[in-house]
Amino acid sequence: ETGVTQTPRHLVMGMTNKKSLKCEQHLGHNAMYWYKQSAKKPLELMFVYNFKEQTENNSVPSRFSPECPNSSHLFLHLHTLQPEDSALYLCASSQSDPGTAYNYGYTFGSGTRLTVV
Amino acid sequence: QKEVEQNSGPLSVPEGAIASLNCTYSDRGSQSFFWYRQYSGKSPELIMFIYSNGDKEDGRFTAQLNKASQYVSLLIRDSQPSDSATYLCAVNTGRRALTFGSGTRLQVQP
Repeated sequence: ETGVTQTPRHLVMGMTNKKSLKCEQHLGHNAMYWYKQSAKKPLELMFVYNFKEQTENNSVPSRFSPECPNSSHLFLHLHTLQPEDSALYLCASSQSDPGTAYNYGYTFGSGTRLTVV
Repeated sequence: QKEVEQNSGPLSVPEGAIASLNCTYSDRGSQSFFWYRQYSGKSPELIMFIYSNGDKEDGRFTAQLNKASQYVSLLIRDSQPSDSATYLCAVNTGRRALTFGSGTRLQVQP
């Protein structure tokens, strides 16, 4: 496996279900991210992890819960979602300079297309 | 004011022409700038990044940065139908995470 892999590629879930999205990076990067992409809207930052520490939570509803057990794996746990949460969820990783905010660009996974019914 | 603004397009150019994609940003402290290409139904892929004022060339792609005007552009020379995609501008505004524009859809007509 190379790059950033996301599973599943597609997910349909009811509003009362609990599911998890998985992301794994094989690039040795030190930062991982969750973004949401809805139709005709910019990519929305959800969560940032640097060296397994969550450094940003962009006012995301509590029905989304991230988990980063190590620097290579990132999960997004989903619970009681709403239909408006249907979107493409993208995981990304990057190598960031720990002493500054310098970012060397992301590598994205293929995304999970989520549909909430 | 949006942090990163792009014209949504579509921008339509004939095959072989130069496509010019533009992006403005609001935070003067922004340090690094990225262009991503996203094909329909796919995830974004990094094309180029630029940190310093001026031009940076990579093959058919040239990124241009003007920090005084808070403006970054991407030129695609000899455009091909395979370049048809949405181009996302992204800016590092001082946080470690990037802020993305909503993208410009480019259509290259054969």
